[in-house]
Amino acid sequence: DAGITQSPRYKITETGRQVTLMCHQTWSHSYMFWYRQDLGHGLRLIYYSAAADITDKGEVPDGYVVSRSKTENFPLTLESATRSQTSVYFCASSESLWSSGSPLHFGNGTRLTVT
Amino acid sequence: GIQVEQSPPDLILQEGANSTLRCNFSDSVNNLQWFHQNPWGQLINLFYIPSGTKQNGRLSATTVATERYSLLYISSSQTTDSGVYFCAGALYNQGGKLIFGQGTELSVKP
Repeated sequence: DAGITQSPRYKITETGRQVTLMCHQTWSHSYMFWYRQDLGHGLRLIYYSAAADITDKGEVPDGYVVSRSKTENFPLTLESATRSQTSVYFCASSESLWSSGSPLHFGNGTRLTVT
Repeated sequence: GIQVEQSPPDLILQEGANSTLRCNFSDSVNNLQWFHQNPWGQLINLFYIPSGTKQNGRLSATTVATERYSLLYISSSQTTDSGVYFCAGALYNQGGKLIFGQGTELSVKP
């Protein structure tokens, strides 16, 4: 199906483990984003990518790593998970940030719990 | 990066009432969007509106770029309008840093 898919939907991991959250979009959008959502903080930008092999830090990048070897995939890795990284993670994509025909589309989110 | 402030943080309405949500930016953004997060957590784009006015059914939005604010109007509210409304903005010279406000949580009572 066309769209943006995140996996897994739910994940429980232990402190110190590495975990990767997956994001796949079928539109060939240039821009992709990772946000985390916590109570009282709204949506905070972790990393974004303007194209394959181009990534940049957002507001809260510490403890996270991203890669974008293919346009359609934008995985987010927590190198050594901490309890403070317990959150809901949203992936999003957009063809272009600078034209009105390119709104931002979100995946359904991954709820991550670090114990 | 830019700062985004939304007001009010919370709003309770009776069904049928109108409301106005505000978003202030620290700079004149080149990209400004409004989103609705429903009670199930899904985020849906409502408007892409870096300037001017747009309408979609009972919802409309106005952005005054020179004054660095945007307004979202909800008329004849329905219980299905409940959820959290977010605005987000980005500056062209800051690449793709699309920054969100903290949201306005709207509850529409029947």
